[in-house]
Amino acid sequence: AQTVTQSQPEMSVQEAETVTLSCTYDTSESNYYLFWYKQPPSRQMILVIRQEAYKQQNATENRFSVNFQKAAKSFSLKISDSQLGDTAMYFCAFMKYASNYQLIWGAGTKLIIKP
Amino acid sequence: DTAVSQTPKYLVTQMGNDKSIKCEQNLGHDTMYWYKQDSKKFLKIMFSYNNKELIINETVPNRFSPKSPDKAHLNLHINSLELGDSAVYFCASSQSPSYEQYFGPGTRLTVT
Repeated sequence: AQTVTQSQPEMSVQEAETVTLSCTYDTSESNYYLFWYKQPPSRQMILVIRQEAYKQQNATENRFSVNFQKAAKSFSLKISDSQLGDTAMYFCAFMKYASNYQLIWGAGTKLIIKP
Repeated sequence: DTAVSQTPKYLVTQMGNDKSIKCEQNLGHDTMYWYKQDSKKFLKIMFSYNNKELIINETVPNRFSPKSPDKAHLNLHINSLELGDSAVYFCASSQSPSYEQYFGPGTRLTVT
């Protein structure tokens, strides 16, 4: 069974700094998708970034980028020039490319951006 | 325009009652989901419908019953509510099961 591990329950950084959130996963599949979602205090779940495993190029979305290491089964999220609005829970998720495409979620990392 | 909407956003009720949460998406998506988020923020899939067909039916008490009248709606009915049902329930939708999911604002259910 697939599992997703986020080893940092909580992190805090100063505004404008760069922060990296870690995510590792366990799977025997070769084709899959990976996602990062954020959940600010408003509790809305917001898609941050998506990565297809067959793509070697790391996905980026403005200040958000990932470091996808397929062999190491690692999928970290880097937030550059962090802003107060980035304060949120961040969830890493894995989706197997087949069957019912169910998302497997990590436990989340609480990120606090300090002014 | 709200992409995925849920009603109500807050629901406070007593043990033993029956309640429903409604979800609607205006994205034209084929797939919809219900998740439960507990007090520790852990997300658990409950159900998923694709083109009105149930494709994910995780191990949840049979007091929980989803109903999809059409592709744009997925409602969740809960019978005989228990204290342990208190949580935030999220509806989500995706273009198809392999695409990214878009979430509603959540419904905070409190059972007293």
